[in-house]
Amino acid sequence: DAKTTQPTSMDCAEGRAANLPCNHSTISGNEYVYWYRQIHSQGPQYIIHGLKNNETNEMASLIITEDRKSSTLILPHATLRDTAVYYCIVRVEGGNNRKLIWGLGTSLAVNP
Amino acid sequence: DGGITQSPKYLFRKEGQNVTLSCEQNLNHDAMYWYRQDPGQGLRLIYYSQIVNDFQKGDIAEGYSVSREKKESFPLTVTSAQKNPTAFYLCASSISGTFSRGIKNIQYFGAGTRLSVL
Repeated sequence: DAKTTQPTSMDCAEGRAANLPCNHSTISGNEYVYWYRQIHSQGPQYIIHGLKNNETNEMASLIITEDRKSSTLILPHATLRDTAVYYCIVRVEGGNNRKLIWGLGTSLAVNP
Repeated sequence: DGGITQSPKYLFRKEGQNVTLSCEQNLNHDAMYWYRQDPGQGLRLIYYSQIVNDFQKGDIAEGYSVSREKKESFPLTVTSAQKNPTAFYLCASSISGTFSRGIKNIQYFGAGTRLSVL
């Protein structure tokens, strides 16, 4: 699985858009990009995933560059409840060992 | 409500004692996972199971054991051989089968069990 690189921490003002970057320069053609978040002392929560096209759901938008070497998770109107660690993971569909590789993620602080 | 239930929320282990963490899901998912998380770290895979009566070791299986006798349940036993068991333990499940479009890698997590040593 391709390695991802994320900033250690970011700040965002409440009500503004939070843009969280992720580099995955060694991503292969059949690897999806997944985003999860973990609010303090809770289990991680799935946010969104994509392969090539940009994706949007009720929680966030995912923008993947044309060369697929990086992506950005966008929280359009961040709230205090969005304060969490955000993990970017790349993985092929299924696979034999079923392992997602969890890095240290980006700690997002949404400030009032 | 559908979801994953982990119990207990907090657990204390005495020296030389085995303890078992419970994980139950009613999502009808085939695959289940156990992770360990240490402070300020990412998740590390302990064991996973893709189907009833089958399971595989993850990256840090030493000192742990699991069983998968029912689809809904995947208990984790932390044995006395695990010398540093203090951590946050997370159970997850995911759909299996012939789905595509990346859905198989979406994992749903319980609220976790925090294990400490007395």
